[in-house]
Amino acid sequence: AQKVTQAQTEISVVEKEDVTLDCVYETRDTTYYLFWYKQPPSGELVFLIRRNSFDEQNEISGRYSWNFQKSTSSFNFTITASQVVDSAVYFCALSEAINAGKSTFGDGTTLTVKP
Amino acid sequence: GAVVSQHPSRVICKSGTSVKIECRSLDFQATTMFWYRQFPKKSLMLMATSNEGSKATYEQGVEKDKFLINHASLTLSTLTVTSAHPEDSSFYICSVRGQASTEAFFGQGTRLTVV
Repeated sequence: AQKVTQAQTEISVVEKEDVTLDCVYETRDTTYYLFWYKQPPSGELVFLIRRNSFDEQNEISGRYSWNFQKSTSSFNFTITASQVVDSAVYFCALSEAINAGKSTFGDGTTLTVKP
Repeated sequence: GAVVSQHPSRVICKSGTSVKIECRSLDFQATTMFWYRQFPKKSLMLMATSNEGSKATYEQGVEKDKFLINHASLTLSTLTVTSAHPEDSSFYICSVRGQASTEAFFGQGTRLTVV
């Protein structure tokens, strides 16, 4: 069975601080995909990144960066110089390689960025 | 532009009535769609996998007679909450597996309130 753990339920930071959201996963599959989604108060899920299990390269996209470490089954997400607009619930998710729509989600981390 | 359209975005209904939620794939034909449910401040839980032209596959603990899923065409899947009760109040969100099975696109979600 697949499992995703986001140990941080809530994080509060002050604007311009860096913040890292942790994600640890469990799967018996050798091939799988990991995702991060942002859910603002309006409710829709905003796709942030997809990473396949064979690609351990870290990725940076603007203020966002992701650290995938297969050895520790972790896929952490860092926001640099946080902004108030980053306030949202962030979900880490895991899916089978051949069935990306069928995902197991973590419980989410609520990030509050204060001005 | 949006790849998946979900309608309605919000609905309030009386106990005992049925509510239909639509999920449309706008850019491509989707043989498989997924329905998730999200309780307040909780994670997304997969309810069922909707397959075009065949019966949906429900996750353990999900009542198939309560949550009717129809996937009559390659671009439309519907979720009908039958004889709704206040405990059915939740955020329902669909996702569509892309033409590349490694992609998944989410609808905007439907917030159902049963009074």
